[in-house]
Amino acid sequence: ETGVTQSPTHLIKTRGQQVTLRCSSQSGHNTVSWYQQALGQGPQFIFQYYREEENGRGNFPPRFSGLQFPNYSSELNVNALELDDSALYLCASSLVGTSGGAWYFGPGTRLLVL
Amino acid sequence: QKEVEQDPGPLSVPEGAIVSLNCTYSNSAFQYFMWYRQYSRKGPELLMYTYSSGNKEDGRFTAQVDKSSKYISLFIRDSQPSDSATYLCAINTGKLIFGQGTTLQVKP
Repeated sequence: ETGVTQSPTHLIKTRGQQVTLRCSSQSGHNTVSWYQQALGQGPQFIFQYYREEENGRGNFPPRFSGLQFPNYSSELNVNALELDDSALYLCASSLVGTSGGAWYFGPGTRLLVL
Repeated sequence: QKEVEQDPGPLSVPEGAIVSLNCTYSNSAFQYFMWYRQYSRKGPELLMYTYSSGNKEDGRFTAQVDKSSKYISLFIRDSQPSDSATYLCAINTGKLIFGQGTTLQVKP
């Protein structure tokens, strides 16, 4: 069984640029969520996708957007990057996506905005 | 008031010690509780997943939920240097609400 994978592992961007991060869900999982983890903090929920539709969003501005594809892979796009966007971005997948489902995380993409 | 509170530590113990990690939460309606382990610069790894109140044991790890106090705990018996990591508690509401994480160091 393949776990959650993410690419790239590291990324350096400058303020104002745009970035796309990618995630492949664990085999058979139909729900994906993205989280932002600042240094020394717990992950913060960005949004969630189920069957290619966004079905939950945290307190993040619209310049954070996403997609889920028919094969359940996913993208996180961030426009107009700000210095505070520097963080570890985590993708998690679940079979059910409800409060009863277990969530499994990928290794993350570390983004540095200069 | 944060939905989940967790003491960030750091917590340093000698090898073989019993470790107690704790979180409190604010909403009595929460029912699904999770513990993750995160090594430096890695993604969180699911350790334990409990529903409602009571205990759940898996090897050296025991998760405990006290809904009357809105308190969740993770106990690690016979701690090992390889247990050195950050431990995150989380509430599962369909999305995960995390505590800040407690950094644990187990010294040989």
